[in-house]
Order: sequence, then structure tokens, then C-alpha cells
Amino acid sequence: GQNIDQPTEMTATEGAIVQINCTYQTSGFNGLFWYQQHAGEAPTFLSYNVLDGLEEKGRFSSFLSRSKGYSYLLLKELQMKDSASYLCAVRDLGRGSTLGRLYFGRGTQLTVWP
Amino acid sequence: GAGVSQSPSNKVTEKGKDVELRCDPISGHTALYWYRQRLGQGLEFLIYFQGNSAPDKSGLPSDRFSAERTGESVSTLTIQRTQQEDSAVYLCASSLWDSRYNEQFFGPGTRLTVL
Repeated sequence: GQNIDQPTEMTATEGAIVQINCTYQTSGFNGLFWYQQHAGEAPTFLSYNVLDGLEEKGRFSSFLSRSKGYSYLLLKELQMKDSASYLCAVRDLGRGSTLGRLYFGRGTQLTVWP
Repeated sequence: GAGVSQSPSNKVTEKGKDVELRCDPISGHTALYWYRQRLGQGLEFLIYFQGNSAPDKSGLPSDRFSAERTGESVSTLTIQRTQQEDSAVYLCASSLWDSRYNEQFFGPGTRLTVL
């Protein structure tokens, strides 16, 4: 596969900041996505990076370094409702993959404690 | 407007039976995707449809799996001769195809249990 690695679990306290890392290997990188998935629910889109740098959207930011095959999702001012699984996914046009195909990591289960 | 809907929400079947899972995408979304998510695992791509182009079937795990889509609307995922390893949540997503990143909107999923 695309060897997408992210930590299995993380914990943090309300109000804190947490950084969830994702590393990947691709032959034709064409974008990285972060999704949030609450237990028993469908994933929802959080962010998209295709160029190096930081994309900020409210309390959530996502960073990408294509040369390092590395991304992180930064969550600020954590709230209890942020407890969820965070999925990193890449679009890889190498190896004959098509534009619509995303490769997902296993997800990072974040638990926010009061 | 309405989001992506899937039916049934839960399906319990016996090993060896065939099952059909249905997905109704968001109206106007030309792209439709099927994923499988086993317990504690990430999403595994199965197939996607985009307009009138040939579907990308590269993620289908075996020839027991097939999917169809009628125009730019409903899609059905069929699993023949189900096996216990097919037990998973099957998620459908749809997207526009002309946005910068083709954000995928997911349905609630169908939980399939093969006894």
C-alpha cells in the first residue's frame, strides 16, 4: 500500500493543544486529507493540503511537507466533542491510481479528558 | 439538502448468501465511492464511479464483489457468496468533480455481519 502511518491512540485534556502526525510514502502524491470520525458515525472532511505549508481553519490546522512525506493535524482549545478518530488519507496518482482513489491510514483515536 | 443515504443500515446474513447494499448520493454529485471499514481499521477503497467514465474497480478484493451505478444516481454494491471476512461497515461517499479537492461526503454506512 501507500504506507500511511499515524499513531493509534492519543489523549489530551480540555483546553490543550494536540498534534496528530501522519507519514506517508507515495509515487505520485496529489494531495493529503484529514477526516474526523466519531464512533459509529461517518467520516467528515476536515482539511486538504496539496502544497507545503500550513492551512488554518478555526481551531484546526493542517501542515504538509511533501519532501518529508509528513503531515500533521493541530487541534487547539480542545473540547470534549473533539474525542474521535482522525483519519489521514492521501491521493497517489502513481502506480496507475486514479484521481478519485484515496488511501487511508488506520486512524488516530483521540480521547479528550475534562 | 439531503446528504448521502445508505440502506439497509444493518444487515445480518448467513455465510454463502448474496447481499445488496444501496447508496443514494447527494443530488448533483457526479462521483460516487465505496469503502469498507473493518473493526478498528482505516477505510479500504473498493470502487469509484465518475460520470460516464469506466469505474475504477481496482480496490475490489475479489470477483465476489461488484457494483453498479445508474447514471449519476443510485449505486448498488453486491457481494456474492458472502464469507465471514466480509463482515464490516460499508461506506459510500459522493463528491462533485470540479472542486479543488473533490471533498467526499460520506453516508452513515451499512453494517454487514456474516454469520
